[in-house]
Amino acid sequence: DQQVKQNSPSLSVQEGRISILNCDYTNSMFDYFLWYKKYPAEGPTFLISISSIKDKNEDGRFTVFLNKSAKHLSLHIVPSQPGDSAVYFCAASAVTGNQFYFGTGTSLTVIP
Amino acid sequence: KAGVTQTPRYLIKTRGQQVTLSCSPISGHRSVSWYQQTPGQGLQFLFEYFSETQRNKGNFPGRFSGRQFSNSRSEMNVSTLELGDSALYLCASSLDGTIRGIQYFGAGTRLSVL
Repeated sequence: DQQVKQNSPSLSVQEGRISILNCDYTNSMFDYFLWYKKYPAEGPTFLISISSIKDKNEDGRFTVFLNKSAKHLSLHIVPSQPGDSAVYFCAASAVTGNQFYFGTGTSLTVIP
Repeated sequence: KAGVTQTPRYLIKTRGQQVTLSCSPISGHRSVSWYQQTPGQGLQFLFEYFSETQRNKGNFPGRFSGRQFSNSRSEMNVSTLELGDSALYLCASSLDGTIRGIQYFGAGTRLSVL
């Protein structure tokens, strides 16, 4: 059973516009969330994290929003750049858990 | 600083065979986790090793096993391969002593089972 879901397999955005990637989770015990970015033929690389004590975390062009009541988080990229074209994975874990649960990924294409 | 290195990058095996994959973590990292990535399933956690001990385990059958050596290098073994084992196998290392630390991934080993 997929506890972390990314319902959009792909997303295309014009360069300079905002990219919004979404992630939903089912386990109310999840309290720590990560986003990873993956280029072809490379392993995923850590992008940004957020814990459940916050509802927003920013790092440069990247902002993650957490809505605990809706069990939803989103990654905003502003402005989007062609180099942001990659697959983005969200991941979640619980304080008592023994692993991270990953979503299936969203492939972002930023069109120049 | 060298990143996480996985060897080999590609493997082709037939059903019933066994396979061993290798992972060298970032120097100083003592935690190594393994994941299976398949289309539609995302990354599925296999197990995590810390200081040569399996500390956490996912929901995979016993055909999937691993070990970690004193230098933190890790191997993953899959016995009696099945067609469904075809996947990208990713290894990740972490400096933190907890499973919730940021993980640094290798490029993966692409296993094809024919």
